[in-house]
Amino acid sequence: AQSVTQLGSHVSVSEGALVLLRCNYSSSVPPYLFWYVQYPNQGLQLLLKYTTGATLVKGINGFEAEFKKSETSFHLTKPSAHMSDAAEYFCAVLLMDSNYQLIWGAGTKLIIKP
Amino acid sequence: DTEVTQTPKHLVMGMTNKKSLKCEQHMGHRAMYWYKQKAKKPPELMFVYSYEKLSINESVPSRFSPECPNSSLLNLHLHALQPEDSALYLCASGGTSYNEQFFGPGTRLTVL
Repeated sequence: AQSVTQLGSHVSVSEGALVLLRCNYSSSVPPYLFWYVQYPNQGLQLLLKYTTGATLVKGINGFEAEFKKSETSFHLTKPSAHMSDAAEYFCAVLLMDSNYQLIWGAGTKLIIKP
Repeated sequence: DTEVTQTPKHLVMGMTNKKSLKCEQHMGHRAMYWYKQKAKKPPELMFVYSYEKLSINESVPSRFSPECPNSSLLNLHLHALQPEDSALYLCASGGTSYNEQFFGPGTRLTVL
């Protein structure tokens, strides 16, 4: 069975500091992994995805994530936090069935301190 | 056009009302999804239409009824809802060839 674990329901960083949001997955097949961001009272927006190929994936808004098979991880990073990055972040893995369902992590709320 | 649209943006309804939520995409995706999202939680999958075939999450109560008139449109019919059904309802499309799902902005539903 496939699953996703996000470590830390809340992460607080100072503006300009490194952002690190952790995601570990469980999958018996090569995973397809996604990070989504959700701003208050909005839908979800794709930040980046890993399907195959390069393990370091760059996304929008300066975010990137590295797929590490040996660690079953797909952590999200950004070198310098901005106030506008404050949001809820969800990691997800694609369930390999005919419906292309996403299995979601519980989410991490990113708080940016001025 | 990489947008999924949803109407209405907000909906307040009583427990005896019948209402519908609408979703539209013009990206040629053949899979469309309804999700329910409670505050501070990830989205919960309710229904999937994949190549116009419906898959149901069996835990979803029958007071929610999906409809897919064509591959671009997805409706969610609501009847006799309960206050605990108040949530953000998200529509998404995608999933073909293991691509990402594109989400609409959601409908904020309040059941009184």
